[in-house]
Amino acid sequence: SQTIHQWPATLVQPVGSPLSLECTVEGTSNPNLYWYRQAAGRGLQLLFYSVGIGQISSEVPQNLSASRPQDRQFILSSKKLLLSDSGFYLCAWGSPMGEKINNEQFFGPGTRLTVL
Amino acid sequence: GENVEQHPSTLSVQEGDSAVIKCTYSDSASNYFPWYKQELGKRPQLIIDIRSNVGEKKDQRIAVTLNKTAKHFSLHITETQPEDSAVYFCAWGTGFQKLVFGTGTRLLVSP
Repeated sequence: SQTIHQWPATLVQPVGSPLSLECTVEGTSNPNLYWYRQAAGRGLQLLFYSVGIGQISSEVPQNLSASRPQDRQFILSSKKLLLSDSGFYLCAWGSPMGEKINNEQFFGPGTRLTVL
Repeated sequence: GENVEQHPSTLSVQEGDSAVIKCTYSDSASNYFPWYKQELGKRPQLIIDIRSNVGEKKDQRIAVTLNKTAKHFSLHITETQPEDSAVYFCAWGTGFQKLVFGTGTRLLVSP
C-alpha cells in the first residue's frame, strides 16, 4: 500500500531564515505530487504540483520554491521566511494521468510551521 | 475562474440529526468531486467522491449528490454522531489532476 511521509512534523523558525520541508512517497511510481498550505482555521491553498522529476508548476507567486529531485521526493524551500509563511504545510500524492484516470489525492501528516 | 463556494461555514446539529453541506462550482468541465474530512490538527482524509457521470453515491451514513446542470454537489450525513465533528472540505478536479478546495464547513455534533 502507499504511504506518504513528511518531516519535520513541527518547526519554529525566525523571520529571514531558510526553509526546507521534505515529502516522500512509498508504494507507487511516478505519482503526481502536491504542496498545499493551510493557514490557521482556513482552507487549502495549492502552492506547487509536479507530474514528474524536475517538473514543477507554481500556482501562486510567493517566496517559496519546490523541487522534485527524485520520483518520490518533493521538497518545499524558501531562502528567507516571512511571518506570513506560517501555516500547516501538507504534501499530497495522486495517481498519474493514464493510470485509472482519477483525481484522488492523499495527504501526508503535514508540517506545522511557525515563523516568529 | 477556479472557485468553489461552500455553505454553511459552520453547522451545529444534535446527535442523530442529518447534516447537509453544499458546494457550488464554476467550471462546467469539472468531472471529479471529492469530499474530505479534517479533524483538528490532522491531515484531510478522503471520505467519499463522485464523478460527473453519476448523480448520487452512498457509503453507509454518507452520501454525495451531484447536479451538473446547477453546478452544485452536496454531502449528506445521516444519523450524525459526535465523532463526525470535524471540518469538511469539498473540492473539484479536472483531468489535469488538480483539485480546487472549498472554504470548509465546521460541523459540530452535540450529544
